[in-house]
Amino acid sequence: NAGVTQTPKFRILKIGQSMTLQCTQDMNHNYMYWYRQDPGMGLKLIYYSVGAGITDKGEVPNGYNVSRSTTEDFPLRLELAAPSQTSVYFCASSYPRDTVDSEGYTFGSGTRLTVV
Amino acid sequence: AQSVTQLDSQVPVFEEAPVELRCNYSSSVSVYLFWYVQYPNQGLQLLLKYLSGSTLVKGINGFEAEFNKSQTSFHLRKPSVHISDTAEYFCAVIDSGGYQKVTFGTGTKLQVIP
Repeated sequence: NAGVTQTPKFRILKIGQSMTLQCTQDMNHNYMYWYRQDPGMGLKLIYYSVGAGITDKGEVPNGYNVSRSTTEDFPLRLELAAPSQTSVYFCASSYPRDTVDSEGYTFGSGTRLTVV
Repeated sequence: AQSVTQLDSQVPVFEEAPVELRCNYSSSVSVYLFWYVQYPNQGLQLLLKYLSGSTLVKGINGFEAEFNKSQTSFHLRKPSVHISDTAEYFCAVIDSGGYQKVTFGTGTKLQVIP
């Protein structure tokens, strides 16, 4: 099925470890995003990308890095995991705003990360 | 900068009763407005959207929302809820003049009681 695929679904990290959250989409969307979701806080934008080779910081980028070498893939990297990064991470993609009929975002099913 | 406020963090309602989930936004420019639904352990799904035109927007699963520019609101309604509507609902806004970065509200958990 077309959509946004995130891996892994669950992960437990020790403090100081690193990992990469994978995100891939097959809808040829230009825009991709990483959000974290914490209870009662809604979704906070970590990083976004408007196309291959172009990335920019969102509201809460500290402790994370991203790359966008292809249209399809937008991995999120945690270099030195901290307990404050315990969260559910969502990747999303969309067409650019300028399309006549904006379809909003298509979300992946999330990665639940615990840092202990 | 744009912002979204969902005043109700939780809304309990009996099955087959009507429900309204409130959303207010602030922005200095024109906006697009969305409601998303999140079922347990899943990502968000688009429920409905307002881009322009008629202020009453109908979405999936019998939900509708009304855009009120003077009150800067976009409340979500359903005349008769079902157990399967139990989920978290997020209101979201996009500044129509900028990159498509969505600002989400903090969410409202709808609990349908049998």
